Amino acid sequence: EVQLVQSGAEVKKPGESLKISCKGSGYIFTNYWIVWVRQMPGKGLEWMGIIYPGDSDTRYSPSFQGQVTISADKSISTAYLQWSSLKASDTAIYYCARPGRAAMITYGMDVWGQGTTVTVSS
Amino acid sequence: DIQLTQSPSFLSASVGDTVTITCRASQGISSYLAWYQQKPGKAPKLLIYAASTLQSGVPSRFSGSGSGTDFTLTISSLQPEDFATYYCQQLNFYPLTFGGGTKVEIK
Repeated sequence: EVQLVQSGAEVKKPGESLKISCKGSGYIFTNYWIVWVRQMPGKGLEWMGIIYPGDSDTRYSPSFQGQVTISADKSISTAYLQWSSLKASDTAIYYCARPGRAAMITYGMDVWGQGTTVTVSS
Repeated sequence: DIQLTQSPSFLSASVGDTVTITCRASQGISSYLAWYQQKPGKAPKLLIYAASTLQSGVPSRFSGSGSGTDFTLTISSLQPEDFATYYCQQLNFYPLTFGGGTKVEIK
C-alpha cells in the first residue's frame, strides 16, 4: 500500500526550531515529487513548496521562501519541513502529499499524509 | 502567482440536488487543474485531475470541465457523504496555488 506517514503533533514556543517529517512507503520514493501544504485553523489550503527526492530539486512558494526549509533523505524515504525560528502564526496543520504519476506534478496529489498539527504558543 | 477564484465560497443544498462550483484562474492554465474534497479533520482527497479526468474510485456523480481560465466541478445527485469543502488547484505554474474553497452544507 502506498502511504505517507507524518510525524506527530508538536507544541512549541515562539523562537524555537522544529523539523517535521513525512515517510513514504509502498513506492519508489525517489521517483515522485513531495509537496507540503499548510492549513491554518479554519482556513483553506496553501501550497508551500515541493521537492524531488531523486535529485533534491526544490521549489518554494514566494510566500514561504526563506521562512521554511524543505529537504529529503532518500536513504530513509523521508521528506522534511523545518523552521529555524517559529512564530505564533506558524500554528497550523501541515500536510505532505504525492502526485499521481512518477516525476510529474500535473496529475494532482493523490496520496496525502495524515497531517501534522503544529501549535506555537508562549 | 496564478490566482484561483472559487465561487461560491459557501452553498447550501439538499440531498439529490445538482451543484456546480466554479474556479477561475487569473491567467490561462490549459487543463492543468485538479479538484479536491476535504472533510473536517481529514486530509484532502483528489477527485478530478486534468480538469475532467475522474480519479480512480471516485463516484461518477462528480464531473469536471473547462480549460484555459474557467473550470467547473459538478456534483450530480448530491449524497450525504458529499457535504464537505472543495478546492481547486492549478498545476501549470509554480507556485501550484489552490482556490479559496467552497463549503457545501446541508440545507
